[in-house]
Amino acid sequence: DAGVIQSPRHEVTEMGQEVTLRCKPISGHDYLFWYRQTMMRGLELLIYFNNNVPIDDSGMPEDRFSAKMPNASFSTLKIQPSEPRDSAVYFCASSLFLTGRNSEAFFGQGTRLTVV
Amino acid sequence: AQSVTQLGSHVSVSEGALVLLRCNYSSSVPPYLFWYVQYPNQGLQLLLKYTTGATLVKGINGFEAEFKKSETSFHLTKPSAHMSDAAEYFCAVSEPGGSYIPTFGRGTSLIVHP
Repeated sequence: DAGVIQSPRHEVTEMGQEVTLRCKPISGHDYLFWYRQTMMRGLELLIYFNNNVPIDDSGMPEDRFSAKMPNASFSTLKIQPSEPRDSAVYFCASSLFLTGRNSEAFFGQGTRLTVV
Repeated sequence: AQSVTQLGSHVSVSEGALVLLRCNYSSSVPPYLFWYVQYPNQGLQLLLKYTTGATLVKGINGFEAEFKKSETSFHLTKPSAHMSDAAEYFCAVSEPGGSYIPTFGRGTSLIVHP
């Protein structure tokens, strides 16, 4: 398997524009996570899905953020409208299990978002 | 609620020296504990994890960590640093029986001098 694939790797956009980040999890993984990494706040969990269903979105900062998982092999994180303070690296991760000794999250390479 | 504290945002060592990265956690139940490494412009990669059993856990690239319940610690060590170990290291904790979702520390940047 190629691992968790995120696109684009880099995104530069103007304030007010819509931004869509994409993620393809590892095939067969039931859990998908979206994280945001900033210098100020470190690594924050935004939302996670189990079997394509959003389970906990309490980390989504504002209504401007939304995430979907229309099928087991694809998820999107959308920001509309974007603001400069949204600039960060956004990671997608997937996991086969959440519990037990084999629980491990596999991370994508991230999308570096810059909002100017 | 679970939390993780990583002491020192930056640790600098010479090549060949001992690496010690500190992690203390807070958890209401016996936790699962993880160390992840992030190389520049890469995602996080699991180094090692503790779930149950032996408290000394060995991971990839010669790293190991010891779970010490009495000290609520899970420090990461490596006997001899290599230049290729320069990276960001994250400690994480999750609570079995709870959400199981790991909470990450702020990270420690390891700098290795020749």
